[in-house]
Amino acid sequence: GAGVSQSPSNKVTEKGKDVELRCDPISGHTALYWYRQSLGQGLEFLIYFQGNSAPDKSGLPSDRFSAERTGGSVSTLTIQRTQQEDSAVYLCASSLVRSRGSNIQYFGAGTRLSVL
Amino acid sequence: SQQGEEDPQALSIQEGENATMNCSYKTSINNLQWYRQNSGRGLVHLILIRSNEREKHSGRLRVTLDTSKKSSSLLITASRAADTASYFCATDAGGTSYGKLTFGQGTILTVHP
Repeated sequence: GAGVSQSPSNKVTEKGKDVELRCDPISGHTALYWYRQSLGQGLEFLIYFQGNSAPDKSGLPSDRFSAERTGGSVSTLTIQRTQQEDSAVYLCASSLVRSRGSNIQYFGAGTRLSVL
Repeated sequence: SQQGEEDPQALSIQEGENATMNCSYKTSINNLQWYRQNSGRGLVHLILIRSNEREKHSGRLRVTLDTSKKSSSLLITASRAADTASYFCATDAGGTSYGKLTFGQGTILTVHP
């Protein structure tokens, strides 16, 4: 596709429900990143994929959060048993990572999650 | 914790004036990037400066990097109302973590027509 696509753009859920957020990166981009941004805050790193593997998942806040990437393309971020503090904008980015080169990330428009 | 810290947190100027935002970071870097965000949604890459560069220009943007002070600045000249947005610096530590960016808290820029 022309850019990074995220769906849904908005998600309202009830506390305790599970949610799945989807990211479709730019075709050919090997690296994929998930971030979380709370209101008025900077970006909090969640997880990084290189291909289908996740060499860095250090930012996942709890074991309720998980992510997978299949076929080196689409990624899904799953939040189980959502809590109100999970409310935020979840941003996905992809990049074409070159060894010892620059890494410019291309972002999707994000999914705004509201947990009631 | 966030690697980059922007200063100021908010900046309000008149159209035509210059806007300067600063970023400080803690660890050594491979490169530093600036991104722009409108309306709290996706970020757009503006400019990248490598650790061996001291200054870079792109249109009305000028970025400086001082690795000895672990700081960078973004200058937007002749600002326009359309420049109103949040601006973030992001650092790439390179090495085994290359590719991963650590973002600061951002500077909210408001340009009044």
